[in-house]
Amino acid sequence: EAGVVQSPRYKIIEKKQPVAFWCNPISGHNTLYWYRQNLGQGPELLIRYENEEAVDDSQLPKDRFSAERLKGVDSTLKIQPAELGDSAVYLCASSYNRGMDGYTFGSGTRLTVV
Amino acid sequence: ELKVEQNPLFLSMQEEKNYTIYCNYSTTSDRLYWYRQDPGKSLESLFVLLSNGAVKQEGRLMASLDTKARLSTLHITAAVHDLSATYFCAVDMNTGNTPLVFGKGTRLSVIA
Repeated sequence: EAGVVQSPRYKIIEKKQPVAFWCNPISGHNTLYWYRQNLGQGPELLIRYENEEAVDDSQLPKDRFSAERLKGVDSTLKIQPAELGDSAVYLCASSYNRGMDGYTFGSGTRLTVV
Repeated sequence: ELKVEQNPLFLSMQEEKNYTIYCNYSTTSDRLYWYRQDPGKSLESLFVLLSNGAVKQEGRLMASLDTKARLSTLHITAAVHDLSATYFCAVDMNTGNTPLVFGKGTRLSVIA
């Protein structure tokens, strides 16, 4: 099993530029999460999908962040325009049965905005 | 609002010593998770605790859950250098309608 796959692993962009992250969850996992982890902190939820539906996006800065999950499988997270404060690691996770069997995290995308 | 607190946030311990990391949470739940994170790496699942009194052990690590006290502990026995990492606890609600909420993490350094 491949696990949760994310790309790219690293991204360096100038402020005001757009950036996109991609996530492929574990096959059969209906719930997908995007978390942001700032340096020295625990991950914080940005958005949660149940299949194709975004069921919790209250922490997503909607003025610049957007996300989609096509056909209830892969997901993309976009930032446009990026700000210096967006520098962080963006983690994707997936679960089956709302976490009863645990949550599996991808390796993350480390974003640096300069 | 569910809040999760860990202590200590930093822990430097000698090899072969024992120590405990504590995780308190604010709202009734019997679902708690422990993760390990190495520098620059993602989160590795260590334990999933799904009931009051649950105890799980893997190698030198043992985790327990007391839902009445809203407390989980991660006990380290006879620490070795390879255990150096950041350890996170995370909680979600029984209904499964809330996502994982993480503590700030405990950065463990095991020294000779």
